[in-house]
Amino acid sequence: KNQVEQSPQSLIILEGKNCTLQCNYTVSPFSNLRWYKQDTGRGPVSLTIMTFSENTKSNGRYTATLDADTKQSSLHITASQLSDSASYICVVSSMTGGSYIPTFGRGTSLIVHP
Amino acid sequence: DTGVSQNPRHKITKRGQNVTFRCDPISEHNRLYWYRQTLGQGPEFLTYFQNEAQLEKSRLLSDRFSAERPKGSFSTLEIQRTEQGDSAMYLCASRPPSGTVAGNTIYFGEGSWLTVV
Repeated sequence: KNQVEQSPQSLIILEGKNCTLQCNYTVSPFSNLRWYKQDTGRGPVSLTIMTFSENTKSNGRYTATLDADTKQSSLHITASQLSDSASYICVVSSMTGGSYIPTFGRGTSLIVHP
Repeated sequence: DTGVSQNPRHKITKRGQNVTFRCDPISEHNRLYWYRQTLGQGPEFLTYFQNEAQLEKSRLLSDRFSAERPKGSFSTLEIQRTEQGDSAMYLCASRPPSGTVAGNTIYFGEGSWLTVV
């Protein structure tokens, strides 16, 4: 069964600090991995996307890494801001019967305190 | 292009009533997904359309749920005889055709909140 596990479940940090969120997956065959940011009550917004051959990708203060051998990814947030408070969801897609079906993690809830 | 549009954004209904949500994807996105999300959980896949064809359907989608995309553009998700357990946010997402530069990115709508009382 395809699964995506994220840790920690929740995280509280002070504004300006860095943090790293983890994602482990058992999705096969692997197609790509995305990180999304979801503000409360809103739809998810894409941060990064990585394919098998990519092991790091940055989007401003967000840097995602991918280790396809260990099936792990991380999202590093640098110099956190209050607006970073949100749920961060790891999504891994596989190709099933010609269709890309994403498997979602439960998300890490990040709270940035002033 | 205003992105993926969903309506209504909020719906409160009595148990046993039918509800229908509509999703207008980004134009020229031939792939469309429906997800359900409850508080504290990630989105759960419900169904997937490529053009007007419903190619994948989750076991989560009981007989009371039906989705259509008759002309390969907008889609509707209908829930019949709603139950309190149906209370959730229903997310629609669309995606460009494969082989395009942005083909791997899924764009989400803002969701439709359903509360069954």
